[in-house]
Amino acid sequence: DTAVSQTPKYLVTQMGNDKSIKCEQNLGHDTMYWYKQDSKKFLKIMFSYNNKELIINETVPNRFSPKSPDKAHLNLHINSLELGDSAVYFCASSLGAGNEKLFFGSGTQLSVL
Amino acid sequence: AQSVTQLGSHVSVSEGALVLLRCNYSSSVPPYLFWYVQYPNQGLQLLLKYTSAATLVKGINGFEAEFKKSETSFHLTKPSAHMSDAAEYFCAVSGTGTASKLTFGTGTRLQVTL
Repeated sequence: DTAVSQTPKYLVTQMGNDKSIKCEQNLGHDTMYWYKQDSKKFLKIMFSYNNKELIINETVPNRFSPKSPDKAHLNLHINSLELGDSAVYFCASSLGAGNEKLFFGSGTQLSVL
Repeated sequence: AQSVTQLGSHVSVSEGALVLLRCNYSSSVPPYLFWYVQYPNQGLQLLLKYTSAATLVKGINGFEAEFKKSETSFHLTKPSAHMSDAAEYFCAVSGTGTASKLTFGTGTRLQVTL
């Protein structure tokens, strides 16, 4: 049983489209995250939710909108996709906001053409 | 603010040789330090974590890291490399308290040759 699962694994789309990536964790964790990994493998946090409440919101274009319907799910919606959005997006979770042991999903490779 | 610098984006060792991956940190508060490993096409997995309990931290798969405050370093070592150790390794730092977030280094790719 996968602990942190995200779908889809690959996403290829045209510029200007809107797309969503879904993430679910079955670990009973309170905190979930979205990270972006660029082509040089640099990993940067985008958002974090603790018990459905947004607690970290880095400098990310407002075309990116996270949504947490419950504490086991954190989805990422991206409007008006741009070439520069191409990256691998990782969902992660942790027991709490102060517990930094992160459990990562296997990533969603987004390619914007 | 916290940051980490990983020296060497690519390290190559022979199977059976010592693995040494370097990480230096900068932090305005006592840091929590981590090493994560990323195998191809997978998410990151925690190798080990330093939280001030002991300066020498042992992790999974035979890896360990030593916290040296005087050198602001947290280098990762393994006495004998195995082919299965080939992966990308990330050092990370966070401050204490709630809603603290990890800041990752740029990663070091470890190649293990026969």
